[in-house]
Amino acid sequence: DTEVTQTPKHLVMGMTNKKSLKCEQHMGHRAMYWYKQKAKKPPELMFVYSYEKLSINESVPSRFSPECPNSSLLNLHLHALQPEDSALYLCASSQDLTNEKLFFGSGTQLSVL
Amino acid sequence: QQQVKQSPQSLIVQKGGISIINCAYENTAFDYFPWYQQFPGKGPALLIAIRPDVSEKKEGRFTISFNKSAKQFSLHIMDSQPGDSATYFCAAGAGNMLTFGGGTRLMVKP
Repeated sequence: DTEVTQTPKHLVMGMTNKKSLKCEQHMGHRAMYWYKQKAKKPPELMFVYSYEKLSINESVPSRFSPECPNSSLLNLHLHALQPEDSALYLCASSQDLTNEKLFFGSGTQLSVL
Repeated sequence: QQQVKQSPQSLIVQKGGISIINCAYENTAFDYFPWYQQFPGKGPALLIAIRPDVSEKKEGRFTISFNKSAKQFSLHIMDSQPGDSATYFCAAGAGNMLTFGGGTRLMVKP
């Protein structure tokens, strides 16, 4: 299994809603990532988890809250988002922080109304 | 800020032709140079990657050429096919931190 699975595929939420994005991998990878991708732009790194601990936070606003419950799962909790937060949110994993080969999921297309 | 500059932004190639996408980087600490392919509605997928100790790497129809002294690298797609139509991102990495280029939208016309 070389897949990173993300749910939901699409999400529409209001600015007062609370929602969560989910990511799962069963490759035994110990590093997991959240990226944000705006249309026609490259992915931008948000968070990195290594062995279930937050390793990097790229100065992301607190309305985005990551969580890594175990080595296979990664969540991104969303609260009080702004319309400009609308984007494709990508999860990725790698064997560990020393291995650069990233496996990306198909992403969650988020629209904030 | 570390940058990777990618060109062209868009490219139209006839079926069977050669697609060439170029990238330039600034930080000499980069030691890993992957290319990602992304189809609409999908996440990027690793296509091919190279390290600075070699000048060229070929996998099927895809070739990376790397010029360490010029701090440039390029992707060549031989015998381009309509199925290759996608957005291509170069990237440069140090450790596991990747800096992506701006992307190239490739269209291969039948």
